[in-house]
Amino acid sequence: DAKTTQPTSMDCAEGRAANLPCNHSTISGNEYVYWYRQIHSQGPQYIIHGLKNNETNEMASLIITEDRKSSTLILPHATLRDTAVYYCIVKGFGNEKLTFGTGTRLTIIP
Amino acid sequence: GAVVSQHPSWVICKSGTSVKIECRSLDFQATTMFWYRQFPKQSLMLMATSNEGSKATYEQGVEKDKFLINHASLTLSTLTVTSAHPEDSSFYICSADGGSNSPLHFGNGTRLTVT
Repeated sequence: DAKTTQPTSMDCAEGRAANLPCNHSTISGNEYVYWYRQIHSQGPQYIIHGLKNNETNEMASLIITEDRKSSTLILPHATLRDTAVYYCIVKGFGNEKLTFGTGTRLTIIP
Repeated sequence: GAVVSQHPSWVICKSGTSVKIECRSLDFQATTMFWYRQFPKQSLMLMATSNEGSKATYEQGVEKDKFLINHASLTLSTLTVTSAHPEDSSFYICSADGGSNSPLHFGNGTRLTVT
């Protein structure tokens, strides 16, 4: 799996959009970008994934640059419950393992 | 959405005993499940890949005789920590793969404390 680079931590004010960046400059053509988050003492929760087009679901939006070397996860209206560690992972198609990096610890401030 | 159930959510055991952790996919079949371990303030570390009907594949440095994995059906994988020691105390998390275009879904983890 290609490696990813994320900031160690970020703060965001409650109600504002949280923008979490991720660099994956060595991503290969068949690898997807996945985002998960882990709230303290729970298992990781799937958020969103994409290949090259921008994606949106009920939780977040994923913006992938045209060269696919980086992406941004956007939580449009952050709440206190969004405080968690967010992991950006690149993974090929199919039954392949997810390799977790250190992630970004996002803290939502009241 | 896909649900993965992990049991127990926490367990305390004495040193030298064995502990079994179950991972079930509740509404889908999973030919592949993954077992992770997470120490405090660290990221998840993959321990092994569990394949239904065949032997598990262990990551480098993970003792297969200590961490026994059985994937007896398409909805159940078990991890048994044998002869547990205090250094095995950790947060164990499983995940299940529901298909080629499905994201991996994770259980809520099992916190193991060995005294």
